[in-house]
Amino acid sequence: DIQMTQSPSSLPASLGERVTISCRASQGISNNLNWYQQKPDGTIKPLIYYTSNLQSGVPSRFSGSGSGTDYSLTISSLEPEDFAMYYCQQDASFPPTFGGGTKLELK
Amino acid sequence: QVQLQQSGAELVKPGTSVKLSCKASGYTFTSNHMNWIKQTTGQGLEWIGIINPGSGGTSYNVKFKGKATLTVDKSSSTAFMQLSSLTPEDSAVYYCARYDGTYYYFDYWGQGVMVTVSS
Repeated sequence: DIQMTQSPSSLPASLGERVTISCRASQGISNNLNWYQQKPDGTIKPLIYYTSNLQSGVPSRFSGSGSGTDYSLTISSLEPEDFAMYYCQQDASFPPTFGGGTKLELK
Repeated sequence: QVQLQQSGAELVKPGTSVKLSCKASGYTFTSNHMNWIKQTTGQGLEWIGIINPGSGGTSYNVKFKGKATLTVDKSSSTAFMQLSSLTPEDSAVYYCARYDGTYYYFDYWGQGVMVTVSS
């Protein structure tokens, strides 16, 4: 299975700050990389699919980039509702696998 | 709007089975594959398997073969996952998630259901 390593696991940040979360795959995944947000109530929704495509309804302050084994999610200016868990996920190789998550916390 | 409504929390005894449901609405049920995903504090998010609601065809993560069985009822647009021979290690939150087969991601998720295995 492809291992997905996210960093950092915890990210203290302030409102209005720009933050970046990284995700590294154990082998190349050809841009088949997706990002999800999980709120404290357990609700999960997609943010970015296929590396850089913004899911419908997701604010433009979210963006994704990367290639090969290294990918990132950037939030340009943090809003209160952005403090949540974030997960990357690869779908290049069976089975799909997820990163361990990044907890974005209010500093 | 697309919705995936999962059944309620379960408290079950070791060695028994449980069947979880995921009722889809707002789209043609047979147009998208359905996935099931397990979440625990220790192991994070793990993909269990996928089912094609049109054909009933399934594919499983080798880790969950023999543990999970995926089925659907097309008449009610409902996907099911049965977990068998339950142990405390099966205690988790389980999500159903619709699959976007064009861009290969999970585009809609159920709210999750907590399963607790305890005597």
